[in-house]
Amino acid sequence: GENVEQHPSTLSVQEGDSAVIKCTYSDSASNYFPWYKQELGKGPQLIIDIRSNVGEKKDQRIAVTLNKTAKHFSLHITETQPEDSAVYFCALNRDDKIIFGKGTRLHILP
Amino acid sequence: DTGVSQDPRHKITKRGQNVTFRCDPISEHNRLYWYRQTLGQGPEFLTYFQNEAQLEKSRLLSDRFSAERPKGSFSTLEIQRTEQGDSAMYLCASSFSVYNEQFFGPGTRLTVL
Repeated sequence: GENVEQHPSTLSVQEGDSAVIKCTYSDSASNYFPWYKQELGKGPQLIIDIRSNVGEKKDQRIAVTLNKTAKHFSLHITETQPEDSAVYFCALNRDDKIIFGKGTRLHILP
Repeated sequence: DTGVSQDPRHKITKRGQNVTFRCDPISEHNRLYWYRQTLGQGPEFLTYFQNEAQLEKSRLLSDRFSAERPKGSFSTLEIQRTEQGDSAMYLCASSFSVYNEQFFGPGTRLTVL
């Protein structure tokens, strides 16, 4: 089945610095790549997504890049703030379902 | 609140008991998904419905698990003869179509003693 490899598993960055999380996949049929943020005790919340017909998408401090040839996509968070501390999941579609990576725990250091 | 809701939020049960969880999706969404999430892992797909039809079930969904969506609105997930390995967060999500964002509920945390 489809696997999504996500790195790193834990990331600590100084407040105000940038954070980058990377994911790789194997199935070239995937064409939808969402990123979710999950805070303690809550369900995952979509923060940004990208479809295979574009290479980059930005929404304020968050951006995602996609390289379909190399089969990898990345999440970039700039000017990090304390409220960015959470677990982030990359994901992709396979048939009618979403397959998630194992997550990255992001710590924003004061 | 018009988001996805799940009930109960927490459930503690003894091994061998049956449990049932409920999910109420966003009202206009025709697709409803169930996922399971264990500690330190991403959500894993269990099953999904389009309206009242159950279209796919994961191999993770053993015979002890059953899900229904009788009127194409809310859904229930039942686990019979619970085992300690069933302890997890059970998440429900809904969407208007497969290409749109899946909105997740807060989850039901199950602890099997």
